[in-house]
Amino acid sequence: NAGVTQTPKFRVLKTGQSMTLLCAQDMNHEYMYWYRQDPGMGLRLIHYSVGEGTTAKGEVPDGYNVSRLKKQNFLLGLESAAPSQTSVYFCASSPGQGVTNTGELFFGEGSRLTVL
Amino acid sequence: RKEVEQDPGPFNVPEGATVAFNCTYSNSASQSFFWYRQDCRKEPKLLMSVYSSGNEDGRFTAQLNRASQYISLLIRDSKLSDSATYLCVVNIRTGGFKTIFGAGTRLFVKA
Repeated sequence: NAGVTQTPKFRVLKTGQSMTLLCAQDMNHEYMYWYRQDPGMGLRLIHYSVGEGTTAKGEVPDGYNVSRLKKQNFLLGLESAAPSQTSVYFCASSPGQGVTNTGELFFGEGSRLTVL
Repeated sequence: RKEVEQDPGPFNVPEGATVAFNCTYSNSASQSFFWYRQDCRKEPKLLMSVYSSGNEDGRFTAQLNRASQYISLLIRDSKLSDSATYLCVVNIRTGGFKTIFGAGTRLFVKA
């Protein structure tokens, strides 16, 4: 069972370059999220989506854009990378709200991005 | 003040020890609570949900105190494999749901 898959796993960028992280889930989940994790800090929400074609800003959205053209995919883009965006990025998904939603988030393995 | 606060540790304990972690949250609209486990350089995974009545899963016991706004995790008979970072997670209802992660408590279990 694949669950949540992120690509690429590692990437080194130079300041100003652009890139896209891809997240794919095969659990038919409605909600998808992009988090970043930095040392000494909790996971911080960048953007999220509550369904195909919808996106919303999280806690730290500046410098990132997202798209959810298909229910199973959630893309995170960096248009002009900065050293402050060096981090580990996690994608997660969860079922929609309702009695079946336990609140559990299912995470991908993470993408380690370094911006020089 | 952070919305979810944890002692960062690290906690260094011998095998077989009992260790307890606490977590405090500041938003009274918090509705559901979880402990996640994160191994080094891996993704977080759900360890257990936390219920008002308290709940136990093998060697792990989670407690919630809504009046004092804190959550605890007790690990009995620690194993080497328990070495990880434990994340306290709170869901806040704000129209939708807002999930807040604590920074985590690092646990090292030594032989």
